Amino acid sequence: ETGVTQTPRHLVMGMTNKKSLKCEQHLGHNAMYWYKQSAKKPLELMFVYSLEERVENNSVPSRFSPECPNSSHLFLHLHTLQPEDSALYLCASSQDHSELITDTQYFGPGTRLTVL
Amino acid sequence: SQKIEQNSEALNIQEGKTATLTCNYTNYSPAYLQWYRQDPGRGPVFLLLIRENEKEKRKERLKVTFDTTLKQSLFHITASQPADSATYLCALVPIYSSASKIIFGSGTRLSIRP
Repeated sequence: ETGVTQTPRHLVMGMTNKKSLKCEQHLGHNAMYWYKQSAKKPLELMFVYSLEERVENNSVPSRFSPECPNSSHLFLHLHTLQPEDSALYLCASSQDHSELITDTQYFGPGTRLTVL
Repeated sequence: SQKIEQNSEALNIQEGKTATLTCNYTNYSPAYLQWYRQDPGRGPVFLLLIRENEKEKRKERLKVTFDTTLKQSLFHITASQPADSATYLCALVPIYSSASKIIFGSGTRLSIRP
């Protein structure tokens, strides 16, 4: 176990549904990330939170809405998704701005999302 | 355009041989480069990090090299075992930035046959 948990592990939703993905890290890290992983494509960094403030938003459609209530929890709220949004959504954490400055990413197991 | 490429989508080798995976990048000046392992249905797991001023880094049967002139990193697994079968990802962080700028390659799926 990496110390990062994600729920649910699998999610099937219709295009009109609203759902949320949850991530929790038990590593004492101060930065959390959402990634999208589609088949045969590189990991796409979606959102970055450092010290609970969003520091990066890589032109992600507004139907994805992140929330970081504290340094241990991260949510991804989903609404009116499209079939092309079907992918593995990975959460990660790191210790940002530390003396080591390695930014090693610790990933959760991911949520496999299918949009019908 | 800026990109990072891993040499092949899939690599099959015989058990006991050395597996060599390649990561090439263009239009970046990386501060450091990382390698991750990803098993099916799971998130990537960090393996090794090599900085721009390091030529080589080792960890047990793993070795990573970094050639900033060639803009290339090589990842070696010596005495490969079927348990090493997985997808391996390289990632780089451009110089003067943080993990908010991390860029991943698409991965190489390695299969070790007995």
